[in-house]
Amino acid sequence: KAGVTQTPRYLIKTRGQQVTLSCSPISGHRSVSWYQQTPGQGLQFLFEYFSETQRNKGNFPGRFSGRQFSNSRSEMNVSTLELGDSALYLCASSLWQGGLEQFFGPGTRLTVL
Amino acid sequence: GENVEQHPSTLSVQEGDSAVIKCTYSDSASNYFPWYKQELGKRPQLIIDIRSNVGEKKDQRIAVTLNKTAKHFSLHITETQPEDSAVYFCAAIKVSELTFGTGTRLTIIP
Repeated sequence: KAGVTQTPRYLIKTRGQQVTLSCSPISGHRSVSWYQQTPGQGLQFLFEYFSETQRNKGNFPGRFSGRQFSNSRSEMNVSTLELGDSALYLCASSLWQGGLEQFFGPGTRLTVL
Repeated sequence: GENVEQHPSTLSVQEGDSAVIKCTYSDSASNYFPWYKQELGKRPQLIIDIRSNVGEKKDQRIAVTLNKTAKHFSLHITETQPEDSAVYFCAAIKVSELTFGTGTRLTIIP
């Protein structure tokens, strides 16, 4: 069974631009969660999607948004990029809502210049 | 919200010895506690987890213990090997939000 995949793997953007990241969960998994990983803040929860609905959201500004499609694939969007948004963005999938037994993708490394 | 503290931040052990990493959490409503291993440049991998109705769980050389009263849980790795070198993260879940500890960099000395 294929693992969680994320595209693109690397992105370079400039301040003020917007970016869309994509995550394909493990086949059969219906929940997708997103995390930001930085050396200073560690791993921080962004949001969880289950059955195309956002179920929970972490403490991030409204510039961070997401959605989930009927095939459980998910996208995350960051608008008006800031230098501090430079990070590794990880998605994780699990069978059900609730965050149990999450399996991570390889991440998208976003650099904001 | 939930707050997870993890100690130590770095740990070096001789190959073959045991390693213990400890985490505390703040919210008694948290009910699921996974541990992830992240090797350099790779994704976090779930290595073991424990639910709040269980006190201990083992999987070969790794084990996790949970003390709900004291709100702390620990990862134990026995007979450490060089491939155990990585950053280990503990986490706690409350209502689907996973809060991670700050990580422990474990180095196994050959």
